[in-house]
Amino acid sequence: AQKITQTQPGMFVQEKEAVTLDCTYDTSDPSYGLFWYKQPSSGEMIFLIYQGSYDQQNATEGRYSLNFQKARKSANLVISASQLGDSAMYFCAMREGRGTSYDKVIFGPGTSLSVIP
Amino acid sequence: KAGVTQTPRYLIKTRGQQVTLSCSPISGHRSVSWYQQTPGQGLQFLFEYFSETQRNKGNFPGRFSGRQFSNSRSEMNVSTLELGDSALYLCASSGRTSVTRHSTDTQYFGPGTRLTVL
Repeated sequence: AQKITQTQPGMFVQEKEAVTLDCTYDTSDPSYGLFWYKQPSSGEMIFLIYQGSYDQQNATEGRYSLNFQKARKSANLVISASQLGDSAMYFCAMREGRGTSYDKVIFGPGTSLSVIP
Repeated sequence: KAGVTQTPRYLIKTRGQQVTLSCSPISGHRSVSWYQQTPGQGLQFLFEYFSETQRNKGNFPGRFSGRQFSNSRSEMNVSTLELGDSALYLCASSGRTSVTRHSTDTQYFGPGTRLTVL
């Protein structure tokens, strides 16, 4: 069963505008971590932001913020003030467990974001 | 500070050959994971090593194997290469250090090795 869903295969956003990339997940483990990664055409996966299942506040990292709605099992990425360099594939990922009993990280299918000048 | 490094960056092999890819994690990280990325299948987990022991394994045939050394460096081996093994192979490390201040399960990726099988 697919555990990470990204329903937007491709998105366009005007430069300097904000954009939200959707991610829903499925798990029965109370302890898990959620991640967003950016993959430019060069191929390297760049870590953007992390949200733990027990974190009380939504994570923020510069222009990136994570809209974490635990009851809805949603972890949307918000990019504020989009830049041309934000054009890339964006992956949502989840890892269940904690400490020494981690399960493998599962990635969603990705969303291709194109920033228009 | 050095990030995750992978060698080689590009590789061309023919069917039936074998290949070894190398990954050096961020200093202080003890977990190394390997992923295969293809346009059709996306990112698929291969295996994870922690302190020289395989901790998790994905659904790949036995032709795919790996190991981790005492300095946390890891190698991945693919024997009897097939055309379908052409992919970007990504390595990621995780752990808590003064540089990577996030959760210990946050993975930091290397640039990848692009393998082409002819």
